Amino acid sequence: DGGITQSPKYLFRKEGQNVTLSCEQNLNHDAMYWYRQDPGQGLRLIYYSQIVNDFQKGDIAEGYSVSREKKESFPLTVTSAQKNPTAFYLCASSSRTSGTYEQYFGPGTRLTVT
Amino acid sequence: AQSVSQHNHHVILSEAASLELGCNYSYGGTVNLFWYVQYPGQHLQLLLKYFSGDPLVKGIKGFEAEFIKSKFSFNLRKPSVQWSDTAEYFCAVTPNTGFQKLVFGTGTRLLVSP
Repeated sequence: DGGITQSPKYLFRKEGQNVTLSCEQNLNHDAMYWYRQDPGQGLRLIYYSQIVNDFQKGDIAEGYSVSREKKESFPLTVTSAQKNPTAFYLCASSSRTSGTYEQYFGPGTRLTVT
Repeated sequence: AQSVSQHNHHVILSEAASLELGCNYSYGGTVNLFWYVQYPGQHLQLLLKYFSGDPLVKGIKGFEAEFIKSKFSFNLRKPSVQWSDTAEYFCAVTPNTGFQKLVFGTGTRLLVSP
């Protein structure tokens, strides 16, 4: 089955530690995205990548970093500089060639930092 | 900058009631419009989409939405809701001019009581 996997489902970290969230897709999509979902705020874009080895900041990139070394993978690192890291993180992908930019989402990772 | 407004943050309905969720966007050009749904414990998934043509679009599970360009609106409707429609609904927009990021509304949480 094609789809997007995110691991782990739940993640707990101590304040001051960096943490990396995994996102893998086997849909052969060029574009991948990271969103943060907080209650009452919808989805806010953190970073996105249109092709391998290239990525752009979204609306709330501060305190986060990404890499795109492979088409299938787009890991997100939540650094200690992120002031409020506890949130639900969603990864998505889309096909640039489809012309529709419909995004497909993974199941998400709930990060709790204490 | 583009923005999407969902005025109803929480909606409570009884089964068989009719549903209309509002969505307004701010962008002067041609747009692609989406409604996504997030059922409890499940992935965010596409409910329906509009790119061009008939402004009344039909999606999964009996949902439909009407694009009214003059009102910058894309309201979601269902004539008779079911308990299983309990979920959070997100409206999203992207300009129809090449690769552009998707902008989401803040979401509407729908609770359908049996």
